[in-house]
Amino acid sequence: DADVTQTPRNRITKTGKRIMLECSQTKGHDRMYWYRQDPGLGLRLIYYSFDVKDINKGEISDGYSVSRQAQAKFSLSLESAIPNQTALYFCATSGSVGAGSGTQYFGPGTRLTVL
Amino acid sequence: ILNVEQSPQSLHVQEGDSTNFTCSFPSSNFYALHWYRWETAKSPEALFVMTLNGDEKKKGRISATLNTKEGYSYLYIKGSQPEDSATYLCALWEAGSYQLTFGKGTKLSVIP
Repeated sequence: DADVTQTPRNRITKTGKRIMLECSQTKGHDRMYWYRQDPGLGLRLIYYSFDVKDINKGEISDGYSVSRQAQAKFSLSLESAIPNQTALYFCATSGSVGAGSGTQYFGPGTRLTVL
Repeated sequence: ILNVEQSPQSLHVQEGDSTNFTCSFPSSNFYALHWYRWETAKSPEALFVMTLNGDEKKKGRISATLNTKEGYSYLYIKGSQPEDSATYLCALWEAGSYQLTFGKGTKLSVIP
C-alpha cells in the first residue's frame, strides 16, 4: 500500500463550488505539505504543517485553506473554486529536519479541473 | 521568493549517451539541496539530499555534485537508458526556512 495517498485522484468541478482534497499518510511523519504544479512553473507550496496545531501559509495560499485533522491527515480546501486553480495538486510528507532528512515523500497527485 | 534555476529546460539524448544538467541557487543561507526524479503520471521521488560543499552522491548510473560557495549542483547520468526519461527537479532548503523551493525541472527524454 502507498505511504501517502490522495483522494480524489481526478476531479472536475464548476466555478464557485467548494471542494476538498484529502491526504493521508502512514509514514508517521509530523510534517505535511500541499503543492500545486502548473506547466512551466514547477512545484509551488500552498500550505504546510509541522504538527496538528501548526499550520503555515506557503508561497501561494490565497484562495485555499487547510485542516490538519490528525498527524496522518491533511486536507486542502478551495472555498470557491475558480478556473485558474486548475492544476495538479500534490501532498507530501517529511520527517523532522536533521542530517540526511528533510526528504519529502509525495502522494500520487490530484488533477483538478475547474470549469 | 528564491530563484532556483535549472538548465536546460529539456533535452533529448540517445540511449547510451551520458548527460548532465545544472541547478543554480543563491549561495547565501544554504542548508540543503535536494534532487527528485519525476516520471510522467507518477509522483516525484527523492534521489539525493546534499548538505556539504563538495558533496558527491551516487545511485547506480546517476550521480550529483554540489558547490555551495558558487551556488550550483550538477546531476550526471552515465549511459542513459529509456527508463531514465523523466523530469529531474532540484529543490533548495535555506537555513532558517521551513520549506523547499523547487526549480522548474529539466525534462530528459532518452531515445532508444
